[in-house]
Amino acid sequence: GEDVEQSLFLSVREGDSSVINCTYTDSSSTYLYWYKQEPGAGLQLLTYIFSNMDMKQDQRLTVLLNKKDKHLSLRIADTQTGDSAIYFCAESRYSSASKIIFGSGTRLSIRP
Amino acid sequence: NAGVTQTPKFQVLKTGQSMTLQCAQDMNHNSMYWYRQDPGMGLRLIYYSASEGTTDKGEVPNGYNVSRLNKREFSLRLESAAPSQTSVYFCATRTAFRSGANVLTFGAGSRLTVL
Repeated sequence: GEDVEQSLFLSVREGDSSVINCTYTDSSSTYLYWYKQEPGAGLQLLTYIFSNMDMKQDQRLTVLLNKKDKHLSLRIADTQTGDSAIYFCAESRYSSASKIIFGSGTRLSIRP
Repeated sequence: NAGVTQTPKFQVLKTGQSMTLQCAQDMNHNSMYWYRQDPGMGLRLIYYSASEGTTDKGEVPNGYNVSRLNKREFSLRLESAAPSQTSVYFCATRTAFRSGANVLTFGAGSRLTVL
């Protein structure tokens, strides 16, 4: 199968950490990506991780990959109002580089 | 440097009308894509073009046609619009890194409503 699944909504308090989760089914996935979509705009790449890595950190963002469970997460530290957006998980693989599969997106809302 | 430009941004059609969504890129990329975005369904691939002169069907191609006019432009045509085609459409281009990562650059989207 080619499913990439995410929960649809997440609400966190400003200043707390946000953790957005994603599961995928294809073990041949080579790269996994996180994109951010702000209201009225297209998607923008946040970060990506190669399938032989367990973790990648970039400023407030931490990506964790559990290959055994096919689980990917994005942690945003010190969540700010500007982090309000839809976050998409995506995967690509060597066998079909042109085909990039997206999850349904998780809408992150920030409460004061 | 505009990146990926889509036109129009908004369009309202009546059932049965036809229209073409335009996409142009100035990134000199070979691969271009058309996705549609619907609430709760994420992005679904309609068509893609790996290079000038080639096009391939994606996950949801029915009701659409595409043209890769040249390296810069990739258009999406609805011959007879249906209400089920009400959606936000995104064009994207692909950067393929030597490491194997494939990163998409998206346009701002075209919101289409079919009445």
